[in-house]
Parts: sequence; structure tokens; C-alpha cells
Amino acid sequence: EVQLVESGGGLIQPGGSLRLSCAASGFTVSSNYMSWVRQAPGKGLEWVSVFYTGGTMNYADSVKGRFTISRDNSKNTLYLQMSSLRAEDTAVYYCARGRPGHYYDYWGQGTLVTVSS
Amino acid sequence: QSALTQPPSASGSPGQSVTISCTGTSSDIGGYNYVSWYQQHPGKAPKLMIYEVSKRPSGVPDRFSGSKSGNTASLTVSGLQAEDEADYYCSSYAGSNNYVFGTGTKVTAL
Repeated sequence: EVQLVESGGGLIQPGGSLRLSCAASGFTVSSNYMSWVRQAPGKGLEWVSVFYTGGTMNYADSVKGRFTISRDNSKNTLYLQMSSLRAEDTAVYYCARGRPGHYYDYWGQGTLVTVSS
Repeated sequence: QSALTQPPSASGSPGQSVTISCTGTSSDIGGYNYVSWYQQHPGKAPKLMIYEVSKRPSGVPDRFSGSKSGNTASLTVSGLQAEDEADYYCSSYAGSNNYVFGTGTKVTAL
């Protein structure tokens, strides 16, 4: 059974850093492309970042230069390193498995990041 | 990377059909047949309902259907049921390894 479990969220002050993890089971992260998608409280979904199987990565303009996506194949885990955090980064962060048709078939339960002083 | 435009809300009586539009540009919806739709109930993770414009994943009822014309995609729920009440989001590949989601539509069964 495919499962994605995010962790690492919490309360962080503006300007701080945080690393989110997404542990996968039931499939191999390195054989699939993976993304982070976030949802601010009461708002819609926003694509954040993608990590393709070949190692190519990309980011939304809103996080470019501040967030870094990575993966550990030995742990079958996806990460999102977030730095220079702003209040507008407050959101539930989901990891999702991407498929060749550019859609997401499995999502984690999400982890809440709150940026506030 | 502007969000795709969806109506904030849509409603219908149980058994009726509801159609949600999703408008983008020639750089996203109009340029690729990579439109997907997600259902999200309060406090839950999104669930894939339609992919590649009109394909339905296993387990999704056939009352859900998708289509596309030009820069606008649509999701139709035929025979609306109470459990279909949720938020719905469209998404499209936008080229150069970018993706974009819609603004979201709250569907209500009257």
C-alpha cells in the first residue's frame, strides 16, 4: 500500500529555518517524481516544488532561493529545507507522488508550518 | 505562475449535474493535455478525481467527468450526491517543470 507521511512542521519565527520530511512506503521515491504542495489556512492549493527522477528540480517563484528540495534514496524520503521563512509561508505542506501525466495520485496527510513571532 | 481561475462556488440539488470551469492560458491548460482535478474534504488531503483532462482513476465514480476546450477545462459531476460536497481544484502542467493549481470551487448539494 502506498503511503506518504510528512513530519517536521511546527511554529517558527520569521527568518527561521525548518526541514520537512516525507517518508514514503509502498513504492520507491527515486523511481517517481515527487512534489511539495502547500495550503495556507482557508486558502487554495499552491504548488511549491518538484524533484524529478533524473534529479532535476524546480520551485515556485514564491519560494525560489529560499527552499530546497532533496531526497534520500536510502531512507526513501523526500525533504523540503525551508529558510528565511515569512509569515506568508504559513500553511499545511503536503508531499505528493507525481505520475508521467503530470498529476498527483497519492498525497500525505500534511504537516502544518506556522511562521509567527 | 498565476493561479487558474475557478468560480468560488457551485451548487445543485441531489441528482442534478454540476459543472465547474477552470480557465488558464495557452501556456498551461491550452498548451498541454495535462489537466487534473482534485477533491478535498475539510481537514483532509486532496484526492485525485480526473487526470489527463478526462481520465478517471480506478475507484472514482463514473459520475465524475472532465473535458477541455481551448484554455478552459471543466469538471462535471452528474447525479450529485451528498458526499460530493467538497472543495475541488483543477491543476495543469505549465511547461518548464512548473505546475499550477486553480483557485478552488466549493460544491454544495442543496
